[in-house]
Amino acid sequence: AQKITQTQPGMFVQEKEAVTLDCTYDTSDPSYGLFWYKQPSSGEMIFLIYQGSYDQQNATEGRYSLNFQKARKSANLVISASQLGDSAMYFCAMRGGAGGTSYGKLTFGQGTILTVHP
Amino acid sequence: GAVVSQHPSRVICKSGTSVKIECRSLDFQATTMFWYRQFPKQSLMLMATSNEGSKATYEQGVEKDKFLINHASLTLSTLTVTSAHPEDSSFYICSGQGWDRGKETQYFGPGTRLLVL
Repeated sequence: AQKITQTQPGMFVQEKEAVTLDCTYDTSDPSYGLFWYKQPSSGEMIFLIYQGSYDQQNATEGRYSLNFQKARKSANLVISASQLGDSAMYFCAMRGGAGGTSYGKLTFGQGTILTVHP
Repeated sequence: GAVVSQHPSRVICKSGTSVKIECRSLDFQATTMFWYRQFPKQSLMLMATSNEGSKATYEQGVEKDKFLINHASLTLSTLTVTSAHPEDSSFYICSGQGWDRGKETQYFGPGTRLLVL
């Protein structure tokens, strides 16, 4: 079984500063993928970044970077230079790898509400 | 990234009626689509996995006869909430598996807000 834990129900950050959103996971699959999605108040799920369990380097996409620490089973999202439009709910999710029982399915964490102050 | 649409975006219905929600992948073929349910300020919970041309696979605790899923083509999956009741009121989101910059990912539709009176 897969489990994703986001321990921060809410986070506040000043505009233009960096913020880290925590995510830890647990799985018995040998390979897996980790995702971060942003969900604004409109409800749409916006894909931000992906990290494969065998990727050697941490994933980066513009202002988003994923601090992947495999031994600690953590996949924290770092948002640099926060903008007011970054205020939203953020979800960490895991997908089991090919051959595993959870392949293709996403398991989501509880989410973190990020508020960016001007 | 790929685009997934959902229709309708909002629906209000009377208790006992059935509601059909469509999920379309607009610019890619999705052999697998997923249906999620989300209550206010909570996480997404996977309801079922929809495979083109075969029966859907439901998660534990999800009633198959209540939530009918049909994946008629590589670009269309439908979820029908049969005999809807107020407790079925929720935000329903679908997703399709696609590729983004060489990596397989899931693209989500904009969601459907269902209110059962």
